[in-house]
Amino acid sequence: EIVMTQSPATLSLSPGERATLSCRASQRLSSTVAWYQQKSGQAPRLLIYYTSTRVTGVPARFSGSGSGTDFTLTISSLESEDFAVYYCHQYDQWPRTFGQGTRVEVK
Amino acid sequence: EVQLVESGGAVVQPGGSLRLSCVGSGFRFSSYAINWVRRAPGKGLDWVSVISMRGDSAFYADAVRGRFTVSRDNSRNTVYLQLNRLRAEDTAVYYCGRDELGDFWGHGTLVTVSS
Repeated sequence: EIVMTQSPATLSLSPGERATLSCRASQRLSSTVAWYQQKSGQAPRLLIYYTSTRVTGVPARFSGSGSGTDFTLTISSLESEDFAVYYCHQYDQWPRTFGQGTRVEVK
Repeated sequence: EVQLVESGGAVVQPGGSLRLSCVGSGFRFSSYAINWVRRAPGKGLDWVSVISMRGDSAFYADAVRGRFTVSRDNSRNTVYLQLNRLRAEDTAVYYCGRDELGDFWGHGTLVTVSS
């Protein structure tokens, strides 16, 4: 199966700062990477699919990029509601897999 | 309004079985694949399974293949996840999501495997 490795495990930042979350796949992917946000006790929320397409209603401060094996989620200026855990997900091959998550916490 | 509601979670002994249900409303249920993910306490998201819109194909994570079975009854707007030979590591909140990527999700149902 494809292993998705996220870094860093935890990102400690202040509101207004830029967050850059990385995800590396164990095999080359054809842009079929999605990003999710999950807050404690809540269901996951799909933010980005096909590497860089924002889901309707997701703020423009969230952006995705990357290709091959390296993908990035960027939050341009953190708002209070953005502090959460973020997961990358590959839907290129079966079985689908998630990264282990990056926690974005308040510094 | 699109809604997905999971049910069937419980406390079960290792080796036991459970059937989870995911009922959809507010959309044409038969036009969407339904996927399942889980989150164990203190762990990250774990992809579990997906079933096609007609129920004629399904895929599973390596950790559950051969023990879990997904099925659907479109006349009841329901997807089922049968969990057999449960292990302690299956303890998690199980979520169902609309479509392969999950543009809408339920609130989850808790499965606890413990003696």
